[in-house]
Amino acid sequence: DGGITQSPKYLFRKEGQNVTLSCEQNLNHDAMYWYRQDPGQGLRLIYYSQIVNDFQKGDIAEGYSVSREKKESFPLTVTSAQKNPTAFYLCASSSQGGYTGELFFGEGSRLTVL
Amino acid sequence: AQSVTQLDSHVSVSEGTPVLLRCNYSSSYSPSLFWYVQHPNKGLQLLLKYTSAATLVKGINGFEAEFKKSETSFHLTKPSAHMSDAAEYFCVVVPRGGSQGNLIFGKGTKLSVKP
Repeated sequence: DGGITQSPKYLFRKEGQNVTLSCEQNLNHDAMYWYRQDPGQGLRLIYYSQIVNDFQKGDIAEGYSVSREKKESFPLTVTSAQKNPTAFYLCASSSQGGYTGELFFGEGSRLTVL
Repeated sequence: AQSVTQLDSHVSVSEGTPVLLRCNYSSSYSPSLFWYVQHPNKGLQLLLKYTSAATLVKGINGFEAEFKKSETSFHLTKPSAHMSDAAEYFCVVVPRGGSQGNLIFGKGTKLSVKP
């Protein structure tokens, strides 16, 4: 079945450590996105990529980095520069660059900083 | 600037009673509007969408929403709630002129369904 796979589902990190969240899709979608979700705040865009080897910052990119070396993969690194990284992270993809609003989401990764 | 406001952070209903989740938007043009649903610790799933065709939009699981331009609203309704409807619901507007793919999400409404 086609879909988006995020891993790990749960991750614990000590302060000062970088961590990388994986996102893989087999939907043949060109566009991929990373969102951060905090209770009562909806979703906020971290980074997005319309095509391979290209990506743009979203509203809250500081302290995060991404790469898009393959169409299927869009990993997110949460760096030690991110001051408050504890959150639920959602990866999504779309076939038309988000203009239609139809995003397909993974099941998320919950990061907790100890 | 475009924006979306979900008027209730939490709605509680009894099983079998109607559901109403309210969403207002602000836009200088006729927007595209969406409702997404998120079950606990899961990703979001598209429930329904309005893209300037029929103003009454039907979605999955018996939900529907009506676009009312005069009221700038896009409220989500269901005639009879089921226990499986308990989830968080997000109203979303697609902006024009902003960053590509930067959808504007409301802050969510958590729906509880009592037996």
